[in-house]
Amino acid sequence: AQTVTQSQPEMSVQEAETVTLSCTYDTSESDYYLFWYKQPPSRQMILVIRQEAYKQQNATENRFSVNFQKAAKSFSLKISDSQLGDAAMYFCAYRSGQATTGANSKLTFGKGITLSVRP
Amino acid sequence: GAGVSQSPRYKVAKRGQDVALRCDPISGHVSLFWYQQALGQGPEFLTYFQNEAQLDKSGLPSDRFFAERPEGSVSTLKIQRTQQEDSAVYLCASSYITGVYGYTFGSGTRLTVV
Repeated sequence: AQTVTQSQPEMSVQEAETVTLSCTYDTSESDYYLFWYKQPPSRQMILVIRQEAYKQQNATENRFSVNFQKAAKSFSLKISDSQLGDAAMYFCAYRSGQATTGANSKLTFGKGITLSVRP
Repeated sequence: GAGVSQSPRYKVAKRGQDVALRCDPISGHVSLFWYQQALGQGPEFLTYFQNEAQLDKSGLPSDRFFAERPEGSVSTLKIQRTQQEDSAVYLCASSYITGVYGYTFGSGTRLTVV
């Protein structure tokens, strides 16, 4: 079974600065997808960024980028120019690439990290 | 609808009471998942539907938990004889069939059993 580990329970960053959130995972699969989700107090999970394991290029979405190290099974999220609205819980999640449908397409989440942004 | 809608947003139940949580996914989304999120933890898989078929219920913690999606759209998660350990946020997520681009989540139902 796949596992996702987020070892930092909390992080803090100064507004406009850069912060990196860590995530490691364990899998025997070679094809999979990785996601970062943001969960504000409203509780709705919002997709921040996704990475396909077969792509070597790191994904980027505006101020958000990832450092995907497949051999090390590491998937960190970098937030540049942090804003007050970035304060939330962030979850790293894994999806098997072997399933086009079915429960194998479920997400496996880490425990999350609480990010606070100091004005 | 424009998003995944869940109701009620909050539910307080007395221990032993039955509850029903509703999820209205995005129209046309074939896949529907239920997750349970304990306080300060990540969501954990409960069950999966493809249209009206419940293809996996391996994450349901006990036989007190039951889910259905009779017409392949709205889904209901029912918990019978609630216990304190059932207190959590219950999240629903849906996607087109593959979900490789991620899933759309609802805002969840926070269940508190007293």
